[in-house]
Amino acid sequence: EPEVTQTPSHQVTQMGQEVILRCVPISNHLYFYWYRQILGQKVEFLVSFYNNEISEKSEIFDDQFSVERPDGSNFTLKIRSTKLEDSAMYFCASSERSAYNSPLHFGNGTRLTVT
Amino acid sequence: RKEVEQDPGPFNVPEGATVAFNCTYSNSASQSFFWYRQDCRKEPKLLMSVYSSGNEDGRFTAQLNRASQYISLLIRDSKLSDSATYLCVVNIDKLTGGGNKLTFGTGTQLKVEL
Repeated sequence: EPEVTQTPSHQVTQMGQEVILRCVPISNHLYFYWYRQILGQKVEFLVSFYNNEISEKSEIFDDQFSVERPDGSNFTLKIRSTKLEDSAMYFCASSERSAYNSPLHFGNGTRLTVT
Repeated sequence: RKEVEQDPGPFNVPEGATVAFNCTYSNSASQSFFWYRQDCRKEPKLLMSVYSSGNEDGRFTAQLNRASQYISLLIRDSKLSDSATYLCVVNIDKLTGGGNKLTFGTGTQLKVEL
């Protein structure tokens, strides 16, 4: 079964540093997402991306965050200047279409630790 | 009121038991409903979609009550491997092609014991 893959599985960085989290969505999917989950808390929506542009973003997704699809396969999340509170598990997801009951497929996540 | 509210549990049940989880959502414009399963420190995985007429997938039955804004999941004959956190998820579809913005509940933890 095709799957969403994310790298790295764990990223440790110092406060103020830039990080790039990488994702390879399922190849025939058209919609891409980033979610995050702070330890012990719920999964939270960050951003959705379609047709090479952001279609929706949450309040969490401020100017420090950006997404990019640099080529036909990768989808990246950049955090420009990390803060301690950015420490979380970041999940990439993709879906085939935006329609009723088009399920999201999640990657296995990148654990980001900001020290 | 939380967007999606669940009893956090944990629910500790013996193997073979029937267990039910409930969920309420606050936005009446919610269009799609799902149950996801999340194992410890892993990604959420779709367990099943929830349809207005109710639906069943093996030992799992999901129900939706739009009038009460209430969703349920019933697990029959629970197995040790069912131990996980069950996430109630709702989606407000955007007609302008904005993708799926899923809103997750905090999850209900299930522990199935021998």
